[in-house]
Amino acid sequence: EVQLVESGGGLVKPGGSLRLSCAASGLSFSTHNMNWVRQAPGKGLEWVSSISSSSSYIYYADSVKGRFTISRDNAKDSLHLQMNSLSAEDTAVYYCARGFYASGSYCLHFDYWGQGALVTVSS
Amino acid sequence: DIQMTQSPSSLSASVGDRVTITCRASQSITTYLNWYQQIPGKAPKLLIYGASSLQNGVPSRFSGSGSGTDFTLTISSLQPEDFATYYCQQSYNTPPWTFGQGTRVEIK
Repeated sequence: EVQLVESGGGLVKPGGSLRLSCAASGLSFSTHNMNWVRQAPGKGLEWVSSISSSSSYIYYADSVKGRFTISRDNAKDSLHLQMNSLSAEDTAVYYCARGFYASGSYCLHFDYWGQGALVTVSS
Repeated sequence: DIQMTQSPSSLSASVGDRVTITCRASQSITTYLNWYQQIPGKAPKLLIYGASSLQNGVPSRFSGSGSGTDFTLTISSLQPEDFATYYCQQSYNTPPWTFGQGTRVEIK
């Protein structure tokens, strides 16, 4: 059974930092693209960041570029998101999600998701 | 960046109804379009990928169609467990990969 389990969420003051982690099991973690997707309270889904299997390709949403850093440790089947200079606009549930290409398809889709980690930025 | 616009933003329907949700991209994304279902308090669930391919384990009452800029998610006969919010998402070319704003399906 595939499991993605986020941790590291919590309450942080504006300007502060937080590091999220996502522990993966039941999948060949080192061979897949991984992503962070967030959802502000009562709002829709926002893709945040993506990292390729070997960390060669990394992308960020403009809203977090320069403040967030995605990384992975394939030896430990874990994904991380270092979040700096946090503001109230970063308050959200953060999901890690596997990016997958089905056989014969070039359309990357998010097929497995964690349960989410709540990050609250407030003084 | 590619903008995704869903319509309607919400709808009310009864069990057994046929429901259609549309998603429009701001430029052609060929068939690089996915659909997700989200129940409140839960993580999103993949329903359809590549515009029309049904994800394993998803009931056949869900179907997707379209290409280019216009896409449709259809639920052929709405079931009680289908009341949720539905999102389209494009994965054309390199990121940013964007979601639609969501369509909330409510009980009439």
